Amino acid sequence: NAGVMQNPRHLVRRRGQEARLRCSPVKGHSHVYWYRQLPEEGLKFMVYLQKENIIDESGMPKERFSAEFPKEGPSILRIQQVVRGDSAAYFCASSLRPTEIYQPQHFGDGTRLSIL
Amino acid sequence: DQQVKQNSPSLSVQEGRISILNCDYTNSMFDYFLWYKKYPAEGPTFLISISSIKDKNEDGRFTVFLNKSAKHLSLHIVPSQPGDSAVYFCAAVLGAGSYQLTFGKGTKLSVIP
Repeated sequence: NAGVMQNPRHLVRRRGQEARLRCSPVKGHSHVYWYRQLPEEGLKFMVYLQKENIIDESGMPKERFSAEFPKEGPSILRIQQVVRGDSAAYFCASSLRPTEIYQPQHFGDGTRLSIL
Repeated sequence: DQQVKQNSPSLSVQEGRISILNCDYTNSMFDYFLWYKKYPAEGPTFLISISSIKDKNEDGRFTVFLNKSAKHLSLHIVPSQPGDSAVYFCAAVLGAGSYQLTFGKGTKLSVIP
């Protein structure tokens, strides 16, 4: 789906465990965004990263959640000590460098996180 | 506080007829609007967009209309096909240099053969 690769597609964790979600952007895209979709809701922005930099994490919960986009390798969304409320679909998107002309974000197929 | 609203959770349309999906927004600072289509177990796929300086944008069977004064946009699909059955999300951004998409809750379109 538009070249953004997310894995795993499904992840089951018990309360208190850690969840790591990976995202490889479209080749040539250096901007990565993470969104969360709760059941029956629209997608909600979490964080925007460029290589080695967090640009905007205003949508991310202050505790337990972190994100990175290292110089080499995929972007990682990490959730520590997961709780039932973290159960959701997590989508990663990527885009070309924002310019005067809006560049649509291309989404991966998401990771469905289930907390037991 | 929902800034982008899709008030119809679902819509059923006969194959070959027109599908009209509606979206309202409250933030007058939104500058760019997009429609995404989503199949089950897949990510959203970009469909069509419109800048606030336009009132219409057309791409094949898909046309988006924007009424800034009413803060309303709509997506028209003509003719509708069974493969169009999906959830359609309306999204908005604050400007060309912005990146934070604000999504509506989506409308599930079913096209009946």
